[in-house]
Amino acid sequence: GQQLNQSPQSMFIQEGEDVSMNCTSSSIFNTWLWYKQDPGEGPVLLIALYKAGELTSNGRLTAQFGITRKDSFLNISASIPSDVGIYFCAGRRETSGSRLTFGEGTQLTVNP
Amino acid sequence: DVKVTQSSRYLVKRTGEKVFLECVQDMDHENMFWYRQDPGLGLRLIYFSYDVKMKEKGDIPEGYSVSREKKERFSLILESASTNQTSMYLCASSLLQVATNEKLFFGSGTQLSVL
Repeated sequence: GQQLNQSPQSMFIQEGEDVSMNCTSSSIFNTWLWYKQDPGEGPVLLIALYKAGELTSNGRLTAQFGITRKDSFLNISASIPSDVGIYFCAGRRETSGSRLTFGEGTQLTVNP
Repeated sequence: DVKVTQSSRYLVKRTGEKVFLECVQDMDHENMFWYRQDPGLGLRLIYFSYDVKMKEKGDIPEGYSVSREKKERFSLILESASTNQTSMYLCASSLLQVATNEKLFFGSGTQLSVL
């Protein structure tokens, strides 16, 4: 079953605002990933994290691998209308091989 | 440009019909996956395959089967479609190596409605 809790479920923000979302689990993950799904498309990988405490940026996006290895955070700075979409966290446990577990998703709406 | 292609964008089927969803990738990836996406539930893994003719159950395999006769093609089969299988179905592929297999490449999805 679902093992990742992602919040918030949805966000409505004004253009230019910063955004934060997070993912938590009761299990330890050794890889954390963040994907974005544009309307009508499949998810695309934004950031991959491989080490506890790791902080990685991709343009205006910054993600962190939590120290406990049970959580991860994604921040978007100075949002723009094309940031609209669904953001998914995903994790891979050491014992799960090729399988990823996905969070429920955060639906982001940016008002111009 | 790398590509995962799902044969249909939208499908409407009747309860009890046998349904085939097709997926083709052109990246020579070993791993292929089928997920379903439902609002508030995220992506849930139905089946995956790490080689031709190999398959493994995901988290929600009941009511589904898969076929992988060629490396580039992975088919999802609904043996007898039911209304609770109305969903968005996403195919994905990745390389076999553990260090890179999280770089999933997704198709654009098939929205299936079962009436």
